[in-house]
Amino acid sequence: SYELTQPPSVSVSPGQTARITCSGDALPKQYAYWYQQKPGQAPVMVIYKDSERPSGIPERFSGSSSGTTVTLTISGVQAEDEADYYCQSADTSGTIQVFGGGTKLTVL
Amino acid sequence: QVQLQESGPGLVKPSETLSLTCSVSDYSISSGYYWAWIRQPPGKGLEWIGSIFHSGSTYYTPSLKSRVIISVDASKNQFSLKLNSVTAADTAVYSCARASYSYDSSGYSYYFDFWGQGTLVAVSS
Repeated sequence: SYELTQPPSVSVSPGQTARITCSGDALPKQYAYWYQQKPGQAPVMVIYKDSERPSGIPERFSGSSSGTTVTLTISGVQAEDEADYYCQSADTSGTIQVFGGGTKLTVL
Repeated sequence: QVQLQESGPGLVKPSETLSLTCSVSDYSISSGYYWAWIRQPPGKGLEWIGSIFHSGSTYYTPSLKSRVIISVDASKNQFSLKLNSVTAADTAVYSCARASYSYDSSGYSYYFDFWGQGTLVAVSS
């Protein structure tokens, strides 16, 4: 079955840049979406279609894509960005949705 | 603003069937979109279970396909999840969500834009 691979954890100091990667064989063909989830809350989409930012999401959140890897970048990380981040995409058929395993972002 | 609310038993015995319903407000399921179930075991990541269109067409994650049925009742503006032969590994927070989509030269691409708050279902005797 199709899988998306993320690092389990990323740690950065406030004001630094955090980069979270997501790898999958179908990513050259399928868009990726990024969600932020804080404890006890439903996920919130922070990036759609690889690099687009929904309204209301701070400009410090950005996304990029290169081959089989997509990257969520958070510039000037703030304490409030500490959360779990998940990528989501589909297999090559486009009908089976998959989430990455999630990355815990710790703001030191 | 679309609102979704899960309901159903919080405790299910092993080998029995888990049944949940998602009630949708401020949007008619019949108007379109896919509607999805997603689960998250305690302390673990998100897992897409499956999606259903208002017409009834469904897609399921391969690992659960043999045990899952998602159905829709447009007259009640609800959709439901049934997962049979449950084990402790099925203990999770189950959430319903709307699967919105974008379409361009690459085809359709789905994402989850509105979520319910989630309901914890424990599998235990």
